[in-house]
Parts: sequence; structure tokens; C-alpha cells
Amino acid sequence: ILNVEQSPQSLHVQEGDSTNFTCSFPSSNFYALHWYRWETAKSPEALFVMTLNGDEKKKGRISATLNTKEGYSYLYIKGSQPEDSATYLCAFGSFGNEKLTFGTGTRLTIIP
Amino acid sequence: NAGVTQTPKFQVLKTGQSMTLQCAQDMNHNSMYWYRQDPGMGLRLIYYSASEGTTDKGEVPNGYNVSRLNKREFSLRLESAAPSQTSVYFCASMGFGGGSNQPQHFGDGTRLSIL
Repeated sequence: ILNVEQSPQSLHVQEGDSTNFTCSFPSSNFYALHWYRWETAKSPEALFVMTLNGDEKKKGRISATLNTKEGYSYLYIKGSQPEDSATYLCAFGSFGNEKLTFGTGTRLTIIP
Repeated sequence: NAGVTQTPKFQVLKTGQSMTLQCAQDMNHNSMYWYRQDPGMGLRLIYYSASEGTTDKGEVPNGYNVSRLNKREFSLRLESAAPSQTSVYFCASMGFGGGSNQPQHFGDGTRLSIL
């Protein structure tokens, strides 16, 4: 069983502040690293899929970086807004199959 | 623009009953997945199908069976429901990228309670 860990488990951030959280994954047999946003009572929605060491992706105020050699990815949110409140999941894909192993998520709450 | 459609959205079963969760996607995706989501456990893969005609076990397959009926449809069956199978079930699909380098698209989930 692959170990994908996310930290912190939960986070409260004041509106307007920036924040970041971490996903750790196995550094061997890497193929892809996914980030999803999961709002309460909805289904997960893809934010980014990253495949290359050093990849940086950006969507509006949200960005992500990838280090495959040491096995971690950071997700950054700049100028947090209430609509950013959600659980953020990362998922690791290994070479040779179409499966993903998900972390347990970071639950982000933005305080107005 | 339906994406991934799951039915039913809610279901209550008695221990020992059987049922099938249905999933269909209209994006012409090759790969389809069934996950369960439990508090503190994240999403755990039950079964997946990398292409029409193939299915493979995931992390927690015991107590479940699946059928990839055609490219669009992937069903999950509980033959004899147990309280431990109370969970929220998500179906997902993924386009072909020669691996896991495409995003997965999720259905709205099925909330299943076993009494």
C-alpha cells in the first residue's frame, strides 16, 4: 500500500491571508501527482495534474509545485477567500497503471 | 453536459440485502473507478477498470463485485451488505493518457447506509 500523506489535516486561515500545505508521496516509480478541491456536499474537482520534476502550475490564486526526487508537492493559496474553504486532496499515480492513491486531505476553513 | 452520473444518490439497506450502484460517463473515457469515502480515511479505491472488458481490484475490494458493462457504464454490486459498508461511494472516470496523467472526473456520490 502506497503512503500518501498530507499536512496539516486541518487549517483555519483569516480571509486575505495566504497559506500553503503539503503532500508527501513515494519518490520511486513516480508518474503523476494530482490535486483536487472537494467542497462539502459536492464531488472532488481536479485542480492540477503534474508529471515533471520542478513543475509549477497556477490557476487564479492557487498554485502548486512538484519535487519528485524528494517526494513532495506544495499547494499555495494567495489572498484566501471564503469560497476557498474546502478539503484539498492530493493523489499519487505510479508508473504502469491508471490507479491513483489519495491522501486523506487538508481541510481548509477561511475565517471572514 | 452530464459528465459522470451515479444512481441512486441515497440508499438504506438492511444487513444481508444486495444492491447495485450504477455509474455512467459520457466523456468517452477509457478508465473508470469506484471509491469509498469514510471519515478520516480519504478516498479508497475499491475496483477500477482501465478499459472496456477489464477490471482490477483496488485497495478495499472485499465484499464488492464490479461489471464494466460497456465503455460508458461501470457498476458496483454489494452481494450481501454489511454495516461496515456504510459509506459514501464515488464513481470516477479518466481519459486515456497512457497512465494516470489525466484528471479524474467524479460523480456526485451515493450515500449508502446499512442497518
